[in-house]
Amino acid sequence: DAKTTQPNSMESNEEEPVHLPCNHSTISGTDYIHWYRQLPSQGPEYVIHGLTSNVNNRMASLAIAEDRKSSTLILHRATLRDAAVYYCILLRGTASKLTFGTGTRLQVTL
Amino acid sequence: GAVVSQHPSRVICKSGTSVKIECRSLDFQATTMFWYRQFPKQSLMLMATSNEGSKATYEQGVEKDKFLINHASLTLSTLTVTSAHPEDSSFYICSARLPSGGALFNEQFFGPGTRLTVL
Repeated sequence: DAKTTQPNSMESNEEEPVHLPCNHSTISGTDYIHWYRQLPSQGPEYVIHGLTSNVNNRMASLAIAEDRKSSTLILHRATLRDAAVYYCILLRGTASKLTFGTGTRLQVTL
Repeated sequence: GAVVSQHPSRVICKSGTSVKIECRSLDFQATTMFWYRQFPKQSLMLMATSNEGSKATYEQGVEKDKFLINHASLTLSTLTVTSAHPEDSSFYICSARLPSGGALFNEQFFGPGTRLTVL
């Protein structure tokens, strides 16, 4: 499976946008880019996924580089409830096994 | 959205006893469920893939005789930690995926987790 690289931690002020980067230089053409997040003491939750085009949903936006070797999860206005570990995961085609890396721990402060 | 529950949320047991954890998909049928384990300050590690009506597929290094998985129905999978020891203390999380062809096929829905403490 292609690997992803994320910063260990990031900080943001509340109400400000947050850009969480992910590098996946060995991504293949059939790899989807998935983002999950895990709030403290909870199971992970799905955030967003995409293949080539940028994607928006009610939680976040996903910006995918033209060469697909990197992507950025964008939280438009961070709140304290967005403090979590964010995982960027590549999923090949219809494969279902998620392999979690270390993710990025996002701290949101007032 | 699809909801996955786990029971119990927290369990403390004595060393040598067995503990059963249930994972239920509440509003959808899940042909495939997954079991993860997470130690403090670490990421989730996939233990096994559970398919309804067939034997689970275990990841390398996971003892299938110690971690018994049963997926007897489309809404229930159970994980039994047999002869638990303190090193089995961890956060156990299950997830479920909608059947192929569903609109949310690429999503996995996670349970809230079960914290196991073995004394």
